[in-house]
Amino acid sequence: SAVISQKPSRDICQRGTSLTIQCQVDSQVTMMFWYRQQPGQSLTLIATANQGSEATYESGFVIDKFPISRPNLTFSTLTVSNMSPEDSSIYLCSVRDGTDTQYFGPGTRLTVL
Amino acid sequence: SQELEQSPQSLIVQEGKNLTINCTSSKTLYGLYWYKQKYGEGLIFLMMLQKGGEEKSHEKITAKLDEKKQQSSLHITASQPSHAGIYLCGADGSSNTGKLIFGQGTTLQVKP
Repeated sequence: SAVISQKPSRDICQRGTSLTIQCQVDSQVTMMFWYRQQPGQSLTLIATANQGSEATYESGFVIDKFPISRPNLTFSTLTVSNMSPEDSSIYLCSVRDGTDTQYFGPGTRLTVL
Repeated sequence: SQELEQSPQSLIVQEGKNLTINCTSSKTLYGLYWYKQKYGEGLIFLMMLQKGGEEKSHEKITAKLDEKKQQSSLHITASQPSHAGIYLCGADGSSNTGKLIFGQGTTLQVKP
């Protein structure tokens, strides 16, 4: 099974600032994703993090707001830019391994004031 | 677009009782995943079902996927306080994309 760690685990940020979230996996994985869970809601896919190329964003999410990097097969970052209170959510990194099992990280709990 | 509907939305059971959570899709699924989430935390992988009629068990939790691959159930036998949390079903649509859509979740409370 894949073990995923995220940093930071939580943060409180001011409106207009940006936060970069890191995701580290203990093994090489092809598929890596970023999800968002707004308060009281279920999970929504933000984008697929592609190694060595630009991320693929889902409808409603844009690169300028959520830039993603994936320099190798074990690491990715998600930046939440120019934050507003509506960005307060849990952000989760997810990976799928070779058996199709999909794992999620512990999440980053973001509060924007 | 595909949606997953979970029922019930919330559940309160007495310790030792059995319970079932359902997850229904309007379309045939490639794969169905069950997760457990403690409030404000990440998702713990429970089980994955990919074949019609498939059934898997782990400790006191059993998950089933129907033959049409549109409905799944999660059954907990002899519930314990440690089973409390939010249970989420997630699914691939028509292929192995890894882009899971999720149900709204079922909040389970187990009373000692």
